[in-house]
Amino acid sequence: NAGVTQTPKFQVLKTGQSMTLQCAQDMNHNSMYWYRQDPGMGLRLIYYSASEGTTDKGEVPNGYNVSRLNKREFSLRLESAAPSQTSVYFCASSERTSERTDTQYFGPGTRLTVL
Amino acid sequence: KNQVEQSPQSLIILEGKNCTLQCNYTVSPFSNLRWYKQDTGRGPVSLTIMTFSENTKSNGRYTATLDADTKQSSLHITASQLSDSASYICVVSAYTGGFKTIFGAGTRLFVKA
Repeated sequence: NAGVTQTPKFQVLKTGQSMTLQCAQDMNHNSMYWYRQDPGMGLRLIYYSASEGTTDKGEVPNGYNVSRLNKREFSLRLESAAPSQTSVYFCASSERTSERTDTQYFGPGTRLTVL
Repeated sequence: KNQVEQSPQSLIILEGKNCTLQCNYTVSPFSNLRWYKQDTGRGPVSLTIMTFSENTKSNGRYTATLDADTKQSSLHITASQLSDSASYICVVSAYTGGFKTIFGAGTRLFVKA
């Protein structure tokens, strides 16, 4: 099992460009998440999908959109990239977000730089 | 405001020594507390998880403690190894019918030979 995979690993964009970050999991998990990690700060939740067919905003959703394509895949789209979106993006999945002992499994991250 | 504060920000120890990392939180209502290990350039990996009724949990050389009354947790690493060099992240979850998880900024541990 590959666990959680993310593509691409690295990306450089110019301000105003758009791109989609891809995430897939092979653990048959119901819930999936997108986080960003910035220096000196904890991971912050952008969007999450508690189950297939649902998505909800997290702490920092502005400038992003998501699609839960199916149970395996959850993509994050930047419609018009800004330098403030330079960050490391992590996708995660878990069995069920409503469970008290639910544990998230993280992908390797995408390092995005917006010039 | 829901917060998770970790200390120290960074720590350098010699291989073979023990160390303790601290986590204070104000997240409410408390559901569970996890410690994650994040190697450089990788995603976080879960080490332990504790609910309200648990006050200690071990995973090999890692032992986490929880004092729900004082809202403090610690992660103790015994007989450190070079591979323990990583960031250790404290994560606290609340559940009020909706999903809420707060991540600490992490403690960066360097283990030197």
